[in-house]
Amino acid sequence: DTGVSQDPRHKITKRGQNVTFRCDPISEHNRLYWYRQTLGQGPEFLTYFQNEAQLEKSRLLSDRFSAERPKGSFSTLEIQRTEQGDSAMYLCASNELDSTIVHEQFFGPGTRLTVL
Amino acid sequence: GQSLEQPSEVTAVEGAIVQINCTYQTSGFYGLSWYQQHDGGAPTFLSYNALDGLEETGRFSSFLSRSDSYGYLLLQELQMKDSASYFCALLGGGGADGLTFGKGTHLIIQP
Repeated sequence: DTGVSQDPRHKITKRGQNVTFRCDPISEHNRLYWYRQTLGQGPEFLTYFQNEAQLEKSRLLSDRFSAERPKGSFSTLEIQRTEQGDSAMYLCASNELDSTIVHEQFFGPGTRLTVL
Repeated sequence: GQSLEQPSEVTAVEGAIVQINCTYQTSGFYGLSWYQQHDGGAPTFLSYNALDGLEETGRFSSFLSRSDSYGYLLLQELQMKDSASYFCALLGGGGADGLTFGKGTHLIIQP
């Protein structure tokens, strides 16, 4: 079991540029979640997928953010026209809906985004 | 919406017991979770309460009282490696299946 992986681990970009992050969940997990965490705060829920279907989006997720999970495996999170306020750690988590321990989410190491 | 309150920082001595409290406001939820996060690391799951009462997992215990909108995490036999941030989080509620986290409690362990 390799755990949840995220790529890249760090991204520095200039304001106005587009960025894309990738998350590979634990292989048998059918649920995948995206969170954003800023310094000194708890993670904030952004969106989640069950297989390839995006079931929920937070009101925090502006139109500049889009997420996909085309084949129900890995997921991408794209931020268009980045702003300095987008600087944060972007965390991905996964779990298995059919598991008896569905409440536990397994988090990846995160992608730290810095917008200059 | 949902909100959670927890102390920003708690200090304890190695070998002692510490309790981290969490109060919340929500119109409904599945359960209360606790996660640990070391500096620069990913959150890792510690405990979950779906029902009122105490759940024990090794040195960690968690408690939930739905009538009081209150829960706590109890850490026993504190070790230096327990120095980390601890987050309470509501699972579900308001039609959401994601976690709603508190701002976290930074636990400082002194020798």
